[in-house]
Amino acid sequence: AQTVTQSQPEMSVQEAETVTLSCTYDTSENNYYLFWYKQPPSRQMILVIRQEAYKQQNATENRFSVNFQKAAKSFSLKISDSQLGDTAMYFCAFMKHWGNTPLVFGKGTRLSVIA
Amino acid sequence: DTGVSQDPRHKITKRGQNVTFRCDPISEHNRLYWYRQTLGQGPEFLTYFQNEAQLEKSRLLSDRFSAERPKGSFSTLEIQRTEQGDSAMYLCASSLENRDIAYEQYFGPGTRLTVT
Repeated sequence: AQTVTQSQPEMSVQEAETVTLSCTYDTSENNYYLFWYKQPPSRQMILVIRQEAYKQQNATENRFSVNFQKAAKSFSLKISDSQLGDTAMYFCAFMKHWGNTPLVFGKGTRLSVIA
Repeated sequence: DTGVSQDPRHKITKRGQNVTFRCDPISEHNRLYWYRQTLGQGPEFLTYFQNEAQLEKSRLLSDRFSAERPKGSFSTLEIQRTEQGDSAMYLCASSLENRDIAYEQYFGPGTRLTVT
């Protein structure tokens, strides 16, 4: 079974600064996908970024980038130029490669961006 | 495309009552997932469908829980004889099935259940 661990329950960052959220996972699979989802207060969850395990290049989406270390089973999210709208719960999630199987989520990190 | 919708958004019920939630996925999506999220936790998988077929059920899904997706469109999740431990946010998500690509799962706003 897969497990996802987010060791930072809460974090805060000043507006315009950079913050990194940590995620580690455990799996015996060789091919899989990793995701970061954002859940703003009282709003629905949306995908921030995803990474295919067979790709060595780290994924980037505008101000969001990941540091994927397959051997270490680590998948951190870096948010650059933090904005007030980035305030949310952030969940790291794992999916086995084949067939769009259900996601396995971590417990989340609550990020507060401070003006 | 209006996204994934869920109804009701909030439900308060007394212990022992039955409740039913509805999820309407994005129209062309053939996969539909149910997750449960308790306070301070990430979502946990309950069950999922491909079209009308229920492909997998989590151990979390006790005999009091049942889910259906008739005709492969909307889905319902019913909880019988509710218990206080069932209080949670019930999330629905949908996606396109593909063996080779992990399509994004789109989440609905959730149904918050409170059992008193």
